[in-house]
Amino acid sequence: GQSLEQPSEVTAVEGAIVQINCTYQTSGFYGLSWYQQHDGGAPTFLSYNALDGLEETGRFSSFLSRSDSYGYLLLQELQMKDSASYFCAPWGTDKLIFGTGTRLQVFP
Amino acid sequence: NAGVTQTPKFQVLKTGQSMTLQCAQDMNHNSMYWYRQDPGMGLRLIYYSASEGTTDKGEVPNGYNVSRLNKREFSLRLESAAPSQTSVYFCASRDRKAKNIQYFGAGTRLSVL
Repeated sequence: GQSLEQPSEVTAVEGAIVQINCTYQTSGFYGLSWYQQHDGGAPTFLSYNALDGLEETGRFSSFLSRSDSYGYLLLQELQMKDSASYFCAPWGTDKLIFGTGTRLQVFP
Repeated sequence: NAGVTQTPKFQVLKTGQSMTLQCAQDMNHNSMYWYRQDPGMGLRLIYYSASEGTTDKGEVPNGYNVSRLNKREFSLRLESAAPSQTSVYFCASRDRKAKNIQYFGAGTRLSVL
């Protein structure tokens, strides 16, 4: 079967660091993607990990441990515009499965 | 550079009516997807097409049909709309050569009364 676990909501203040954890179970796993979605908008790609370790893209980093079926998204130097929903999405065969996501609220 | 284009952007249907949601991509991607997103929820995969000429069911295919018309176009049809199909529908295409990035259209907001 397939399952995903992310916290439903996270709050933080501007300038802080936030980590959003993700545990997953899927058949045919070959990578973990992260997407951002602002209210009323479409999801946009943030990061992808195919191998264990850390991927850094500007203020955002993503980590994967395939043996633990675990990953996280790290957001640094938070800005108000980072308030959005964040989805981890494991790739299994040709399908990308999204969970319910984590809603991040950034306060001034 | 249009990316993924969905039409229409908004639609209101009565129960039992049928309609087709259109999706086209200009990035020469092989794989295309249809998702639905209910308020406060994640995206649920309805159908996908790994390549031209193939389609497969996702998590919630009941009540929907799809057609991969050619490499560019992937349409979603509701034969007899039900209020439970009120949702936002997103089409996406996937770039296998670049981190499996999925590019999403702007969405179609559908209400079934």
